[in-house]
Amino acid sequence: RKEVEQDPGPFNVPEGATVAFNCTYSNSASQSFFWYRQDCRKEPKLLMSVYSSGNEDGRFTAQLNRASQYISLLIRDSKLSDSATYLCVVNIRAESGGGADGLTFGKGTHLIIQP
Amino acid sequence: DVKVTQSSRYLVKRTGEKVFLECVQDMDHENMFWYRQDPGLGLRLIYFSYDVKMKEKGDIPEGYSVSREKKERFSLILESASTNQTSMYLCASSLQPAGGGTEAFFGQGTRLTVV
Repeated sequence: RKEVEQDPGPFNVPEGATVAFNCTYSNSASQSFFWYRQDCRKEPKLLMSVYSSGNEDGRFTAQLNRASQYISLLIRDSKLSDSATYLCVVNIRAESGGGADGLTFGKGTHLIIQP
Repeated sequence: DVKVTQSSRYLVKRTGEKVFLECVQDMDHENMFWYRQDPGLGLRLIYFSYDVKMKEKGDIPEGYSVSREKKERFSLILESASTNQTSMYLCASSLQPAGGGTEAFFGQGTRLTVV
């Protein structure tokens, strides 16, 4: 069964601090990995893709550990505007071979940055 | 600018009604998805489609059907609405590259209430 697990939080973090989330996935056939951000009452939007070598985008760093089947997101120098729900997303190709990207979402980690 | 448009932001329907949720994307994407999002359960995939007239069941297809007659349009159908189908419904689309794993763009969501 496809499954993506995240700590739901909430994580209450002071402004300027560093915060890290982990996400584990159960299907070793998972091929692609992403972090999405969802603000309250809004649709999810891509924050960053996660590559095997790890990748960084400004204050955000994502890492993938295929052996242990987890991905992580690190946010440095957190801002009030970082308050949101962060969704871990895993892509597993459809068994039918049609090639569709079957995105599976974790339930999200709720982050609250406090002034 | 990429755009996924859902026909309604809010919808109230009666138990037993047949309900159509429409989604249109203007990015010429092959893949389209329907999710529902509920508190504590996260986003769950209902159906997806990787080509015109093609469809795949997601994790929770029961009580739903879909239609993809044109590439840009993906419809979700509730054959006989029930109160447990009260939820936020999110449509998404993505490209279909050979290697898999591209960004999914979401519509703004339709909050459906079945009374």
